[in-house]
Amino acid sequence: QVQLQESGPGLVEPSGTLSLTCAVSGGSISNGNWWAWVRLPPGKGLEWIGEIFHSGGTKYNPSLNRVTISVDKSNNQFSLNLHSVTAADTAVYYCARGCSGGHCYFDSWGQGTLVTVSS
Amino acid sequence: DIQMTQSPSTLSAFVGDRVTIACRATQSISTWLAWYQQKPGKAPKLLIYRASSLESGVPSTFSGSGSGTDFTLTISSLQPDDFATYFCQQYSSYPWTFGQGTKVEIK
Repeated sequence: QVQLQESGPGLVEPSGTLSLTCAVSGGSISNGNWWAWVRLPPGKGLEWIGEIFHSGGTKYNPSLNRVTISVDKSNNQFSLNLHSVTAADTAVYYCARGCSGGHCYFDSWGQGTLVTVSS
Repeated sequence: DIQMTQSPSTLSAFVGDRVTIACRATQSISTWLAWYQQKPGKAPKLLIYRASSLESGVPSTFSGSGSGTDFTLTISSLQPDDFATYFCQQYSSYPWTFGQGTKVEIK
């Protein structure tokens, strides 16, 4: 059973960069899935941020044009960088296992990490 | 982007009740729809994929139906562990989008 675990700072200053890493265990990040970031702002619904394949191919949500997602196959992990953050980027951030064979639902999730944007 | 709208936003029910949650897409998504359950402080849990396929380990009291633009999630007999928030998600076209959630509360 694959497991995912997010890590990174819980507090980021406005205009700074939010950086999170997702460690994947119990399976290889190169197994054919896409690997995604999803967030849950307080009082709102889930928002897909973007995803990456082990080859480095990426897909991003056009509403968030400040995102970079990268993969580190040697350490079986992938990362999120969200630039120029504001208070609106305060949310619980989740990493998740996504698309496989054209089926793009999320069947494994990390526990989530709260990131607050504040000075 | 395909917008997903769930109704109701909040639902109050008794243990044992049959509960139905609706999800509507702004354009046809065939059956490319998933349902998730989320409890406070926990990660979402996949319940249903391809509109009606039950994820392994999910109780058979959960079922999904629909195609095109209109979908439903049904809990045939609400259990104490089922009080949570439920989200639908379309994966017909990028960007993947979610409904705003339906909170199922104890009546």
